[in-house]
Amino acid sequence: GIQVEQSPPDLILQEGANSTLRCNFSDSVNNLQWFHQNPWGQLINLFYIPSGTKQNGRLSATTVATERYSLLYISSSQTTDSGVYFCAALSNTGNQFYFGTGTSLTVIP
Amino acid sequence: NAGVTQTPKFQVLKTGQSMTLQCAQDMNHEYMSWYRQDPGMGLRLIHYSVGAGITDQGEVPNGYNVSRSTTEDFPLRLLSAAPSQTSVYFCASSSTAGHSGRNIQYFGAGTRLSVL
Repeated sequence: GIQVEQSPPDLILQEGANSTLRCNFSDSVNNLQWFHQNPWGQLINLFYIPSGTKQNGRLSATTVATERYSLLYISSSQTTDSGVYFCAALSNTGNQFYFGTGTSLTVIP
Repeated sequence: NAGVTQTPKFQVLKTGQSMTLQCAQDMNHEYMSWYRQDPGMGLRLIHYSVGAGITDQGEVPNGYNVSRSTTEDFPLRLLSAAPSQTSVYFCASSSTAGHSGRNIQYFGAGTRLSVL
């Protein structure tokens, strides 16, 4: 299967600060997604981004498929951004998603 | 439109007991899957299904059984619970199977299982 590594594992930000989360994957993918798990445990899809750049409000994501990494940018962070961010990858040859171990983000007021 | 519904939300079992975690989706999705989430390990795929009547093993299938008799339902069975199965379980669904087109996953709220 694909190895998915995320960094940093933990991040503490002051409200209003910006951050970049990274996801490296070990093989070619045609499906890469970012998820946010809120403090109550709910997982919400943020981006479907196998390649290129997308933006949604204060969040944006970029995947460089040829170099096997994806970045999630959070600008002007808010306390509601706290939680764990996961990336998940699906290989070109399989039907299984592989998740990274996540980045735990805490935004303090 | 309820999305992905998991029941129960919480469950405590004794070692050796059996139980079924229920998962239902009302979005007519082909692809459904079960994950377990353990501290520090992200989500790991247990079993998945690409359509009614078709299931396959994921990364950590031992100790779990699944079936997919309808498009809507994908139950996960623990035949003889063990303490190592203490975890949070998530069911997910997506419109298409595998790598054919967009495959955005929608997750249920999770089932927190403790095996004593």
